[in-house]
Amino acid sequence: NAGVTQTPKFRVLKTGQSMTLLCAQDMNHEYMYWYRQDPGMGLRLIHYSVGEGTTAKGEVPDGYNVSRLKKQNFLLGLESAAPSQTSVYFCRSGGGGTEAFFGQGTRLTVV
Amino acid sequence: ELKVEQNPLFLSMQEGKNYTIYCNYSTTSDRLYWYRQDPGKSLESLFVLLSNGAVKQEGRLMASLDTKARLSTLHITAAVHDLSATYFCAVDQVLRDTDKLIFGTGTRLQVFP
Repeated sequence: NAGVTQTPKFRVLKTGQSMTLLCAQDMNHEYMYWYRQDPGMGLRLIHYSVGEGTTAKGEVPDGYNVSRLKKQNFLLGLESAAPSQTSVYFCRSGGGGTEAFFGQGTRLTVV
Repeated sequence: ELKVEQNPLFLSMQEGKNYTIYCNYSTTSDRLYWYRQDPGKSLESLFVLLSNGAVKQEGRLMASLDTKARLSTLHITAAVHDLSATYFCAVDQVLRDTDKLIFGTGTRLQVFP
């Protein structure tokens, strides 16, 4: 997980609340990604970014928004949390031909 | 759309035995990854396979890639308890502006005495 830090590590939300997950990297990577991991389903791509100021949708983007205002930070937002968004969220930094690293994960529970 | 299938989903094996995990994918790809994940932890990169016929080995694990068959295997030799974990394969879908890593569902491996 060298150089990729996710904040927070754990969070419990009530349905309808909002929150932002932060992924920070210090490796000057252009590419950053957000995944969610649910039991028995592997990791699924939510959104990704190929550089500062750019974002794009992945496999399961609904209910999430992202921003990449600074190259080192990739933010994942939940505007109105739902129980279906209970999951473990992983950020990945790198790729596109460079070595990539995962963050340590954020465990989110929506009640 | 790229799909990645892994089997088996669950594997219980005795120490000292050999076994193979399979990863099939549906479209052409330049790179295939194998990861290990321990409970409550992040993903640890095991292997990156870049070309047809590529074979990489680390300890009791050996990974291979057949791009023509769109198949990768992770072979476990003489399993030990420390190998108990969930193993994921992931395939790069290279697009015009980026690459997307598509994961298999994972194989949960338990090694018992």
